[in-house]
Amino acid sequence: GDSVTQMEGPVTLSEEAFLTINCTYTATGYPSLFWYVQYPGEGLQLLLKATKADDKGSNKGFEATYRKETTSFHLEKGSVQVSDSAVYFCALSGDSNYQLIWGAGTKLIIKP
Amino acid sequence: GAGVSQSPSNKVTEKGKDVELRCDPISGHTALYWYRQSLGQGLEFLIYFQGNSAPDKSGLPSDRFSAERTGGSVSTLTIQRTQQEDSAVYLCASSLSVAASKNIQYFGAGTRLSVL
Repeated sequence: GDSVTQMEGPVTLSEEAFLTINCTYTATGYPSLFWYVQYPGEGLQLLLKATKADDKGSNKGFEATYRKETTSFHLEKGSVQVSDSAVYFCALSGDSNYQLIWGAGTKLIIKP
Repeated sequence: GAGVSQSPSNKVTEKGKDVELRCDPISGHTALYWYRQSLGQGLEFLIYFQGNSAPDKSGLPSDRFSAERTGGSVSTLTIQRTQQEDSAVYLCASSLSVAASKNIQYFGAGTRLSVL
């Protein structure tokens, strides 16, 4: 079945560092891909999405490109801030369309 | 409402008791989803509703779990005879519909269930 694998955390970085959180997937057909973020004490929020190969999703300085050849959707940000500290989840929406398949989440800690 | 609302935010219960968790989706969203998030784990899909019907109940962990939705709006997830392994955060989400292009799911803050 469909699955999502993302790098284990926690990832600890200093402010203004470059961020990459890896996400790879297994799916039949042409899934849509998502990054969700969960800030401390808050619900999950959609961060960005991409619905077809080579699409780039972007929001709040974060970017991720849908790479079908490598089945990847890595999350990147050029300069992180303390306020980016959160748990980041990669997810896909497959042929069934209704059920999101989730990675285990990566906790990001940014130190000033 | 402005977002997905879940209640209670926290629930502590004794093993063997029944609990009801409530979800109030975004107005106009026809699809509603329940997930479970255990400590350190990703999200586990439980059930979804399109309108008042639940085409897929395969994610429910056991027959102690049930869910209903009335009036195409509020949903309740009921866990009977709770067990300690039911302890988790239960998340509800809603979307405009289940169609792929519209299936951006918006989440509530969750209900943290602790079974003693």
